[in-house]
Amino acid sequence: GAVVSQHPSWVICKSGTSVKIECRSLDFQATTMFWYRQFPKQSLMLMATSNEGSKATYEQGVEKDKFLINHASLTLSTLTVTSAHPEDSSFYICSARDGLSYEQYFGPGTRLTVT
Amino acid sequence: AQSVSQHNHHVILSEAASLELGCNYSYGGTVNLFWYVQYPGQHLQLLLKYFSGDPLVKGIKGFEAEFIKSKFSFNLRKPSVQWSDTAEYFCAVTGGYQKVTFGTGTKLQVIP
Repeated sequence: GAVVSQHPSWVICKSGTSVKIECRSLDFQATTMFWYRQFPKQSLMLMATSNEGSKATYEQGVEKDKFLINHASLTLSTLTVTSAHPEDSSFYICSARDGLSYEQYFGPGTRLTVT
Repeated sequence: AQSVSQHNHHVILSEAASLELGCNYSYGGTVNLFWYVQYPGQHLQLLLKYFSGDPLVKGIKGFEAEFIKSKFSFNLRKPSVQWSDTAEYFCAVTGGYQKVTFGTGTKLQVIP
């Protein structure tokens, strides 16, 4: 089946630094990728939708200058959390939609802890 | 705007009991509906989906869901649960712009 990977799976960073999270579709081309945030004991919250080669569409309340998304190829999207603060600590999950089947596949998530 | 509500937050069942998890959605147009499962320590996986056609959808591992348009519901069912079904279950909906909105999830604990 289709596989989506995320790297790193877990990262700890100091307040004020930036962190980049990669999302890759390993065996299919993803025309669209989605970035979610999951708080403890809560559901997934969609942060942004990115289409290959174009700017990401951010959900209301998500700061586009803080959460930079780049979808440079059909198999890679990156989320950069800039000037991270402790309140950015969360579980970030990406998903990739297969351009042919429109099926959506989820990555394993990245646990970000900002100290 | 589309929204999804799952009424059961935590369900505890004994093995072989029947399962029904509620899911209601709100959206004015045509919807696609999904149930995802997240086993402990693993990432989300698709259980089943409804796009059109037969409102009774069968998924993997013996799960099924019924789309009742008049009730805006898409409840998940399984006649006999197993310990390995212990997981968190998320109902989700996509509307016109294809972005997925998730419900808050239901934790299912199956006791051997």
